[in-house]
Amino acid sequence: DAGITQSPRHKVTETGTPVTLRCHQTENHRYMYWYRQDPGHGLRLIHYSYGVKDTDKGEVSDGYSVSRSKTEDFLLTLESATSSQTSVYFCAISESNRGPSYEQYFGPGTRLTVT
Amino acid sequence: AQSVTQLGSHVSVSEGALVLLRCNYSSSVPPYLFWYVQYPNQGLQLLLKYTTGATLVKGINGFEAEFKKSETSFHLTKPSAHMSDAAEYFCAVSGAGGTSYGKLTFGQGTILTVHP
Repeated sequence: DAGITQSPRHKVTETGTPVTLRCHQTENHRYMYWYRQDPGHGLRLIHYSYGVKDTDKGEVSDGYSVSRSKTEDFLLTLESATSSQTSVYFCAISESNRGPSYEQYFGPGTRLTVT
Repeated sequence: AQSVTQLGSHVSVSEGALVLLRCNYSSSVPPYLFWYVQYPNQGLQLLLKYTTGATLVKGINGFEAEFKKSETSFHLTKPSAHMSDAAEYFCAVSGAGGTSYGKLTFGQGTILTVHP
C-alpha cells in the first residue's frame, strides 16, 4: 500500500465551524489531490497540488482551501462548514519524472459530518 | 473536457458467472483509462490501467478491460465472479495533455453484488 494517511478518520462538526483535514504521505510524491465522494457522483476533484506551495482548483473547489508547506503534507480546510460538505474525503498521490503518472494512489478517507 | 459514464449503478451476478461492468468515456485528447475498486469503508485500489500500447489490459484479481477507441469504451470483465469481488467499481479517465493533464475524472460507480 502507498504510504498515505489521513487524519482524522471521522469527524462530526457543526455548521459554521472551520475544519482542517490532513493528508500525509511518506512516498515523497510531487502530486497530491483532494477528492470528495458522494453517492451517485463518484469522486470529484476539489483541489490538487503539483509541488510545495503550488496548488490549483478542481471541479468542486468552492468553500474549500488548501495548503502545502511540505512535500509530505497536504491540508484541506473548510473555512465555514456547511451541511452540503458532509461527505467522505479522499487524498491521493501520484508521481512521474515527466509529470503526473496518471495512476493515483488513495488514502483511507475521512468521513466528515456537518450537523 | 472529459467525462465518464458507467452504465448501471448496480450489477448483480451469481458466483462463477461472467462479470461485465460498462464504461464509456469522452475526451478531447488521447485518454488514459483506469478501473478502481473500493471495498466497504476503504479507499480506492487500482485494478488496471490503459495508457498506450496493447488495448487489452490485465489487472489484479483476474480482471481485464479492453480499450475500444471506435466505441469510446473501456468495459471491465472477469470470466468467473467470486464472492470476494463484491465491491464498488469506478472507471476514470485522465487526459494525456491539455487542461485535463494528470487529472482524473471518475464515473459515478457501479456496485457489484455476487450471489452464492
